[in-house]
Amino acid sequence: ELKVEQNPLFLSMQEGKNYTIYCNYSTTSDRLYWYRQDPGKSLESLFVLLSNGAVKQEGRLMASLDTKARLSTLHITAAVHDLSATYFCAGLLETSGSRLTFGEGTQLTVNP
Amino acid sequence: EAQVTQNPRYLITVTGKKLTVTCSQNMNHEYMSWYRQDPGLGLRQIYYSMNVEVTDKGDVPEGYKVSRKEKRNFPLILESPSPNQTSLYFCASRLTGGHYGYTFGSGTRLTVV
Repeated sequence: ELKVEQNPLFLSMQEGKNYTIYCNYSTTSDRLYWYRQDPGKSLESLFVLLSNGAVKQEGRLMASLDTKARLSTLHITAAVHDLSATYFCAGLLETSGSRLTFGEGTQLTVNP
Repeated sequence: EAQVTQNPRYLITVTGKKLTVTCSQNMNHEYMSWYRQDPGLGLRQIYYSMNVEVTDKGDVPEGYKVSRKEKRNFPLILESPSPNQTSLYFCASRLTGGHYGYTFGSGTRLTVV
């Protein structure tokens, strides 16, 4: 059974600073996803990571995947207030009915 | 516009009164799924469907039913809602295989009193 753990669960940071959210998963995952959710809103897909060493970047966010360590990271560079949201990582196992298993989410607050 | 449409967005109902939350996608996706989101518990899968007439239980199926008679629709049925089904519900779909991501609906906030 795939388990996904994120840390930290809460993150308060100042604008302009850098930080990393960590996502550990328990067994081999076919795919690793990162999502963003604003309060009361749906989930917005940020990244899909397929293979070991994969790195994807969009604006101030960069995601990476280390399948040997079973670890994915979401790095925030020079944070801005608009990045305030909850970020989820989720693993997928095709053998489990393509079920997405989510981490608990990291609630990010970027303060001016 | 490619999207997953859920209705209603908000619903307050009473215990035991049957209800259906509809989900429709216009992307010809084979795979559809329902999740519920609860504070402190994250998102958990309720049911999923690999294709028409193919459905299976997720992590928390008790108290829910689904059907997949058409590729585009995947309604979630609560035959006898109870207060512990008060939650935020999301429908999601994707193409199977490859590196496709999931598209999520806007969510349905259900309150059972």
